[in-house]
Amino acid sequence: DAGVIQSPRHEVTEMGQEVTLRCKPISGHDYLFWYRQTMMRGLELLIYFNNNVPIDDSGMPEDRFSAKMPNASFSTLKIQPSEPRDSAVYFCASSSASTGNSPLHFGNGTRLTVT
Amino acid sequence: SQKIEQNSEALNIQEGKTATLTCNYTNYSPAYLQWYRQDPGRGPVFLLLIRENEKEKRKERLKVTFDTTLKQSLFHITASQPADSATYLCALAAGQNFVFGPGTRLSVLP
Repeated sequence: DAGVIQSPRHEVTEMGQEVTLRCKPISGHDYLFWYRQTMMRGLELLIYFNNNVPIDDSGMPEDRFSAKMPNASFSTLKIQPSEPRDSAVYFCASSSASTGNSPLHFGNGTRLTVT
Repeated sequence: SQKIEQNSEALNIQEGKTATLTCNYTNYSPAYLQWYRQDPGRGPVFLLLIRENEKEKRKERLKVTFDTTLKQSLFHITASQPADSATYLCALAAGQNFVFGPGTRLSVLP
């Protein structure tokens, strides 16, 4: 099993540009989570999907952020337009359940720098 | 307000000693609590899960306790090794979400 795969590993962009982060979850996992990690705020849940349907997007900071899951093996997180305060490490994770009875499997993240 | 705290931002211990990390929470009623390890530049990796009706869980050199009255979990690493140096995160299942603590950076000194 290849685990959760995220791309790119690093992204540097200028303020105002569109950024798209990608994630391939573990096959067979029905839940996919997007988290953001910063020194100040730690790991924050942005949105999660169940069977490709967004269930809770209350953690999405503002309308500049959007996430899609067109099929069971692919998800994107888009920021448009990007701002310097969006600089963080973005993690995708998948799980076989949304409850705490099942572990989260994380990718290695995308480090985003917005200048 | 809801809060998860981990006892210290950083913890240094000598190789061979037992490391004890603390996770305290307020205004949550989690049915499960999980512990993760995170190395620099990598995503968190799941270590252990404990249920609210379990007092203790062990896996090799790791031990987790869960006290729902104190609203606290303790994470122990016995016979610690320099390879155990990492950041350790606790996480609660809060409704449909996983909520993570800020983490404790453990350094095991040779």
